[in-house]
Amino acid sequence: GENVEQHPSTLSVQEGDSAVIKCTYSDSASNYFPWYKQELGKRPQLIIDIRSNVGEKKDQRIAVTLNKTAKHFSLHITETQPEDSAVYFCAAPSYNQGGKLIFGQGTELSVKP
Amino acid sequence: NAGVTQTPKFQVLKTGQSMTLQCAQDMNHEYMSWYRQDPGMGLRLIHYSVGAGITDQGEVPNGYNVSRSTTEDFPLRLLSAAPSQTSVYFCASRKKREWDYEQYFGPGTRLTVT
Repeated sequence: GENVEQHPSTLSVQEGDSAVIKCTYSDSASNYFPWYKQELGKRPQLIIDIRSNVGEKKDQRIAVTLNKTAKHFSLHITETQPEDSAVYFCAAPSYNQGGKLIFGQGTELSVKP
Repeated sequence: NAGVTQTPKFQVLKTGQSMTLQCAQDMNHEYMSWYRQDPGMGLRLIHYSVGAGITDQGEVPNGYNVSRSTTEDFPLRLLSAAPSQTSVYFCASRKKREWDYEQYFGPGTRLTVT
């Protein structure tokens, strides 16, 4: 089945710096890669996603890049702000398991003012 | 729409007790899932359903049962609670579309087993 590895597990940056979180996946049939943000005590919420027919997608200060050959995708946050502090999860579907969405282990991002 | 709802929000059980975590969605989503969240472990899939009457196991199914008698409801049952089941449980749902996997999560249930 699908296996999703996420790094780093924790990330601390100064306000205004960039943050990058990377994920690798194992199921070569996967074609959809979402990123979720979870604030403390809240539920995970989708912030951006990318499909395999594009290599990069941007939405204001966040972007996701995908390398299908290497089977990895990354979340980029530019000009970080304290409100970006949260846990971020990547995910990928497992097609040989009926399309179940498998999550990475999560990255705790801390943005220091 | 209320989206995905879960009850209760908090629960404390003694070892060996049983209980059911409730999950409901009003978005007519075919797919529903249960995840548990533990520190450093991410969101691990417990059980999964692609429609009424159909369920499947996820990564960590042991100790949990599910059923899907209607499109709206997907309860998770703990038959004999163990301290290892102390966790935060999230229910999620999504439409059955090839090109849209966005999952909507419920608010979570924080379970403590003593």
